[in-house]
Amino acid sequence: QQQVKQSPQSLIVQKGGISIINCAYENTAFDYFPWYQQFPGKGPALLIAIRPDVSEKKEGRFTISFNKSAKQFSLHIMDSQPGDSATYFCAASDKRGSTLGRLYFGRGTQLTVWP
Amino acid sequence: NAGVTQTPKFQVLKTGQSMTLQCAQDMNHNSMYWYRQDPGMGLRLIYYSASEGTTDKGEVPNGYNVSRLNKREFSLRLESAAPSQTSVYFCASRQTVNTEAFFGQGTRLTVV
Repeated sequence: QQQVKQSPQSLIVQKGGISIINCAYENTAFDYFPWYQQFPGKGPALLIAIRPDVSEKKEGRFTISFNKSAKQFSLHIMDSQPGDSATYFCAASDKRGSTLGRLYFGRGTQLTVWP
Repeated sequence: NAGVTQTPKFQVLKTGQSMTLQCAQDMNHNSMYWYRQDPGMGLRLIYYSASEGTTDKGEVPNGYNVSRLNKREFSLRLESAAPSQTSVYFCASRQTVNTEAFFGQGTRLTVV
């Protein structure tokens, strides 16, 4: 059973446009929601993360929106640039319960930004 | 800073052979993880160690074993490799639950 569901699988955006990637989860024990960015041949690296006590977090051009009641969260990339072309993963983990310590990932979204 | 170091970077095995993937971190992190990455499947958790002295199964543990040798090192062993284990393997570590995870560069394993 997939713990975190991510969509779309691939996304093509024009330079300067907005990229939006969505994730959903079922486990209400999750209380940490990071997004990772991965370039070809490299390991994933943390981009931005949010905890459920806030509905939005912004860092530069990257924003996470979080909807606790809907159990959904999304990544928005404003003014998308060709250098943003990468694979993006949402993830979730919790610090209590039967899934304590586990860090689950979505299946990833391959973003291509055309110049 | 080395961060998370995985060895080897590439490996080709024949079906039935065994091997151990090594992972070491120099950040004094408590938790360590092994993932496999396959096209369209994302990162799937194989095993993890929430703290030194403990290990637990993840989503896809069959065919693998792990050892948390000490706080720094967490190894993944394939006892009898199968073609279905062809994948890119990533080790990760983090200080505690719900903090940033740092990943190694990955090991590309091919089983023929």
